[in-house]
Amino acid sequence: QVQLVESGGDLVKPGGSLRLSCAASGFTFSDYYMTWIRQGPGKGLEWISYISSGGATTNYADSVKGRFTISRDNAKNSLYLQMNSLRAEDTAVYYCAKFTSSSEVYFDFWGQGTLVTVSS
Amino acid sequence: DIQVTQSPSSLSASVGDRVIITCRASPSITTYLNWYQQKPGKAPKLLIYATYRLQSGVPSRFSGSGSGTDFTLTITSLQPEDFATYYCQQSYNTPYTFGQGTKLESK
Repeated sequence: QVQLVESGGDLVKPGGSLRLSCAASGFTFSDYYMTWIRQGPGKGLEWISYISSGGATTNYADSVKGRFTISRDNAKNSLYLQMNSLRAEDTAVYYCAKFTSSSEVYFDFWGQGTLVTVSS
Repeated sequence: DIQVTQSPSSLSASVGDRVIITCRASPSITTYLNWYQQKPGKAPKLLIYATYRLQSGVPSRFSGSGSGTDFTLTITSLQPEDFATYYCQQSYNTPYTFGQGTKLESK
């Protein structure tokens, strides 16, 4: 069965950096786009980035563009999110999700999330 | 960016009720509309994609309809496990925006 396990969340000071990881299993990781979505405390869902199956194409929400970088290692079945210049408003649970992008586009499996807290 | 507005923001219902949640997109997103269910402390779960296609394993009491700008999620014969927060999401264009959520509570 599909499993996605995020890690790397932590308490970090404003202006700091953090790298999140997402370990995938139960499907052919290299065949699928992947994506990150976050949810601020008591708030709704915000899509922040996706990466194509081979890693050549990426896309970002304006709120993180230039500060966050998505990447993947298909040999390790792993997805990453490098987060730099962190702000208080980046505080959230970060989810990775498997992204089906064909004639339909949807996020069909999600990890359990990892908490990032940005505070001094 | 495509705006997605969900209503109501909260809803009280009883087991066995029929519940309808609406989602409005601006501008048109054809049928690129998905629905997710989230329970407290858990990750969202895909219920319906492409407006009406039921995700594998999702009970048939869940259904979706609409096109263009107006969409609905219907739950017929509400079950105890259905009390949760529901989000719609447009996947027509990036950024893939979500509705603000509908919290379905027990009356």
